[in-house]
Amino acid sequence: KAGVTQTPRYLIKTRGQQVTLSCSPISGHRSVSWYQQTPGQGLQFLFEYFSETQRNKGNFPGRFSGRQFSNSRSEMNVSTLELGDSALYLCASSALPGVGKTEAFFGQGTRLTVV
Amino acid sequence: KNEVEQSPQNLTAQEGEFITINCSYSVGISALHWLQQHPGGGIVSLFMLSSGKKKHGRLIATINIQEKHSSLHITASHPRDSAVYICAVSNYGGSQGNLIFGKGTKLSVKP
Repeated sequence: KAGVTQTPRYLIKTRGQQVTLSCSPISGHRSVSWYQQTPGQGLQFLFEYFSETQRNKGNFPGRFSGRQFSNSRSEMNVSTLELGDSALYLCASSALPGVGKTEAFFGQGTRLTVV
Repeated sequence: KNEVEQSPQNLTAQEGEFITINCSYSVGISALHWLQQHPGGGIVSLFMLSSGKKKHGRLIATINIQEKHSSLHITASHPRDSAVYICAVSNYGGSQGNLIFGKGTKLSVKP
């Protein structure tokens, strides 16, 4: 069974640009959550999608957005990039909504560097 | 004050030693997770528990709901156990189950 796949693994962008990250969950999983990890703040919840609907959103500005497709693959988008957006972005999939209530399977992450 | 506190922040052990990592939380939870993150960045879920104790190989996780405290134990530690161990809780209430994370414990096991 394939695991959670995130693409790309590494990305370098310039301030002001936008970026789109992709996450393919484990087959059969319909819940996808996104997290940002920085040295200063640690892991922080971004948002969760289940069956193409955003169920919950963390405390991030509107520049951070996401969506989920009918095949459960999810994308997150960050517009007008800032230096502080440099981070490891992780997604996790689970079979049921409410990622904290069921076992979550994480991807390898996308490391975004904003210069 | 963080809602999830871990101790210690850094831990160095000799191969074979018994290791304990602690996690305290201040919110009502529906579940607590122990996660392992290797230098490459990927995270592996080790345990999800809401009461009592779970064991998987050399790893044991316990939780005391009344005291809002959990421990992760590693018996007969090995250099391959070197990683960051992260405690995360699933919060009750309006958050609908998303995770709140501790800052992590960086474990280094020397041969």
